[in-house]
Amino acid sequence: AQSVAQPEDQVNVAEGNPLTVKCTYSVSGNPYLFWYVQYPNRGLQFLLKYITGDNLVKGSYGFEAEFNKSQTSFHLKKPSALVSDSALYFCAVRVFNTNAGKSTFGDGTTLTVKP
Amino acid sequence: GAGVSQSPRYKVAKRGQDVALRCDPISGHVSLFWYQQALGQGPEFLTYFQNEAQLDKSGLPSDRFFAERPEGSVSTLKIQRTQQEDSAVYLCASSVSQGSRVETQYFGPGTRLLVL
Repeated sequence: AQSVAQPEDQVNVAEGNPLTVKCTYSVSGNPYLFWYVQYPNRGLQFLLKYITGDNLVKGSYGFEAEFNKSQTSFHLKKPSALVSDSALYFCAVRVFNTNAGKSTFGDGTTLTVKP
Repeated sequence: GAGVSQSPRYKVAKRGQDVALRCDPISGHVSLFWYQQALGQGPEFLTYFQNEAQLDKSGLPSDRFFAERPEGSVSTLKIQRTQQEDSAVYLCASSVSQGSRVETQYFGPGTRLLVL
């Protein structure tokens, strides 16, 4: 079975400081990993994905994530946080399934960036 | 172009009522997914369509849940005899082609269902 863990329910950072939102995963075979952001009353918006290749993936809005196979982690990072980054963030892994790209999600981390 | 749309955005039902939730995927997208997101949790997979074919319904929690996509575009998720535990946000997502593991899924805003 595949699973994703986001160990922190909430992350608080000051504007301008670097931020990290943690994600670890468990999957059979090679993982395909994703980060999404969810704003209130809106659907999930895709940020970035890791498929293969370079372990550092760059995505939308200045976010990046580092794939670490030995630690089975895919932490989301941003060098300088903005107040507008405050939202709910989800990490997801694709199920290793030949039929579909259904995703298994973590329970989310609420990021609050204070001015 | 337009994104994934869902209707209604909010639905209140009395326990035992039937409800129907609609998803309009991005035009031309082959794959369509339904997810259920309970309060404080991440989305959980319900079912997957490739065009009009329902290829995976392993996530449907009971036989009260039924989904269809008869013409390969709009999809409807129907819940019969709703129960309080069905209260959740129901998310629809679509992707361009055959739902490969690497494709980006585009999500709609969701339908928030409250069963009283």
